[in-house]
Amino acid sequence: AQSVTQLDSQVPVFEEAPVELRCNYSSSVSVYLFWYVQYPNQGLQLLLKYLSGSTLVESINGFEAEFNKSQTSFHLRKPSVHISDTAEYFCAVNEKGRRALTFGSGTRLQVQP
Amino acid sequence: DGGITQSPKYLFRKEGQNVTLSCEQNLNHDAMYWYRQDPGQGLRLIYYSQIVNDFQKGDIAEGYSVSREKKESFPLTVTSAQKNPTAFYLCASSILAGVLSSSYNEQFFGPGTRLTVL
Repeated sequence: AQSVTQLDSQVPVFEEAPVELRCNYSSSVSVYLFWYVQYPNQGLQLLLKYLSGSTLVESINGFEAEFNKSQTSFHLRKPSVHISDTAEYFCAVNEKGRRALTFGSGTRLQVQP
Repeated sequence: DGGITQSPKYLFRKEGQNVTLSCEQNLNHDAMYWYRQDPGQGLRLIYYSQIVNDFQKGDIAEGYSVSREKKESFPLTVTSAQKNPTAFYLCASSILAGVLSSSYNEQFFGPGTRLTVL
């Protein structure tokens, strides 16, 4: 069965500093991987996804994530964060052939001035 | 504009009452989902539906019921049997590609309904 682990429940960071949000998954088959972002009292928005091909994927607002099959990881990074990046971030996995996503428990990114 | 709407945004219920949360989408998506979100636990799947008049239990279906009479609508009823219903409920939808295709399951989410049991 697929599962996702986000080791950090909260990550405080100063504005313009780099950040990494960690995500590890477990699955016996090939997977698709996703990062979603949730702002307070809102639904989830897709940030980026890995389907196939290049293991490094990027979003339009400067985030990137790298799929590492040997380490079963899909960590999210940004070289310089802004106050507006403050939100909760969810990693999710979808095993090929399954309909449902499995989400991690989320990481709250708190960007401080 | 295409999207997913959930109503109401906030809902209060007395213990012992059933309550129905609305979810509507105009994206022409085949599949729809209901998730429950609790602090520190991420999202957990309650029910999902791949086509009209068909739905499947997710990981935490006990105390909930759904219907899928129309493609665009997937209401969730929280029954009195649900022991701890206070939570944030999220509805999502996705295109359902063919079983044999190497499809992926990008889900689009509604804004959510926050249910509080008094």
